Amino acid sequence: DADVTQTPRNRITKTGKRIMLECSQTKGHDRMYWYRQDPGLGLRLIYYSFDVKDINKGEISDGYSVSRQAQAKFSLSLESAIPNQTALYFCATSAATTGSYNEQFFGPGTRLTVL
Amino acid sequence: AQSVAQPEDQVNVAEGNPLTVKCTYSVSGNPYLFWYVQYPNRGLQFLLKYITGDNLVKGSYGFEAEFNKSQTSFHLKKPSALVSDSALYFCAVRDSGYSTLTFGKGTMLLVSP
Repeated sequence: DADVTQTPRNRITKTGKRIMLECSQTKGHDRMYWYRQDPGLGLRLIYYSFDVKDINKGEISDGYSVSRQAQAKFSLSLESAIPNQTALYFCATSAATTGSYNEQFFGPGTRLTVL
Repeated sequence: AQSVAQPEDQVNVAEGNPLTVKCTYSVSGNPYLFWYVQYPNRGLQFLLKYITGDNLVKGSYGFEAEFNKSQTSFHLKKPSALVSDSALYFCAVRDSGYSTLTFGKGTMLLVSP
């Protein structure tokens, strides 16, 4: 979805390096999410943010940190990358509606390889 | 806790035949249920959702899903499969007492010509 962009699209790095994955959206959504996808494991939530001042850990936050710089920007950092963080990473956004739950819109993904 | 299971890693169907991709869920409150599709080298795309109301939900690309509370299932269906439907399909659930989605492991759908 062109409304949610991720940079870089592919990245190869070495064990111990710090790396940042960036996500930007033009959908005007308050809620943003970071997931990782591994074959056979589906998508697992790393961190999520329901507004600029709200950051929450997901299912697998160890080894990751995030920054919500603005409503439209949500970055994921690996402070010291390790090989088992090799995965496909997705950013997603959703609108907030009281009493309901709106679908999420996903970016194209970042394929990260840690050697 | 909330969880979702997709019991089939892969579903094979011939073009023109009906298809079903299975999903079962577990929640303690009321379920919000979603189906997403992922084409190669793409992000996930929303297909349909069940929040409340009619148990048969219609979505994009001719897909539909039936919510069955007694069987805790939300199977994805299409009356006539197309080769272009070949993709990875994810079911997801949110318990009304939770704030985030839990995704299944995905089912690869392969439609042969």
